Amino acid sequence: GQNIDQPTEMTATEGAIVQINCTYQTSGFNGLFWYQQHAGEAPTFLSYNVLDGLEEKGRFSSFLSRSKGYSYLLLKELQMKDSASYLCAVLDSNYQLIWGAGTKLIIKP
Amino acid sequence: IAGITQAPTSQILAAGRRMTLRCTQDMRHNAMYWYRQDLGLGLRLIHYSNTAGTTGKGEVPDGYSVSRANTDDFPLTLASAVPSQTSVYFCASSDSNGGGYGYTFGSGTRLTVV
Repeated sequence: GQNIDQPTEMTATEGAIVQINCTYQTSGFNGLFWYQQHAGEAPTFLSYNVLDGLEEKGRFSSFLSRSKGYSYLLLKELQMKDSASYLCAVLDSNYQLIWGAGTKLIIKP
Repeated sequence: IAGITQAPTSQILAAGRRMTLRCTQDMRHNAMYWYRQDLGLGLRLIHYSNTAGTTGKGEVPDGYSVSRANTDDFPLTLASAVPSQTSVYFCASSDSNGGGYGYTFGSGTRLTVV
């Protein structure tokens, strides 16, 4: 079956750095997405990786290793507004998005 | 309209009643999706449509039906609601293969079946 694993919850301090890991086993691979979802709101697109390596976008970076079935989202200079759930999703061989359950990130002052 | 519009925003529905959740997009995306999101379970695909006139079943299709008469609209119908259908429902759309920018989501419909 298809499976995406990410930690349920993480806590970090304002101004610090946090890394959210995601491992996946899917039928085929056409890219990996990270989405941010604030409580009570819709998911919004953060990043897309289809090749191995690091993609940097401001305070957020996303890394992919296809051979290891592994990705991480790195958030730097954490702000209180970064408190949200972070969803990892993989586009499978049928171009359907398979979703992880999400990681709830709690930022403390 | 900008992006995806869902209606209603929230609804309390008596069990056994029929209900249609509306979804309209103005991005001319070919593909559209309906998800439900429950605490601890993440997003689960109910039905999808790769292009107008076609639909397919997702992971949890039982009790739900969809239609795709045109590119913009993708309504989701609960024929006879049950309490287990209490959830937050998100409609989403993407270009043909969902690559690059992934899916765009509507703001969601919070449904409570009592």
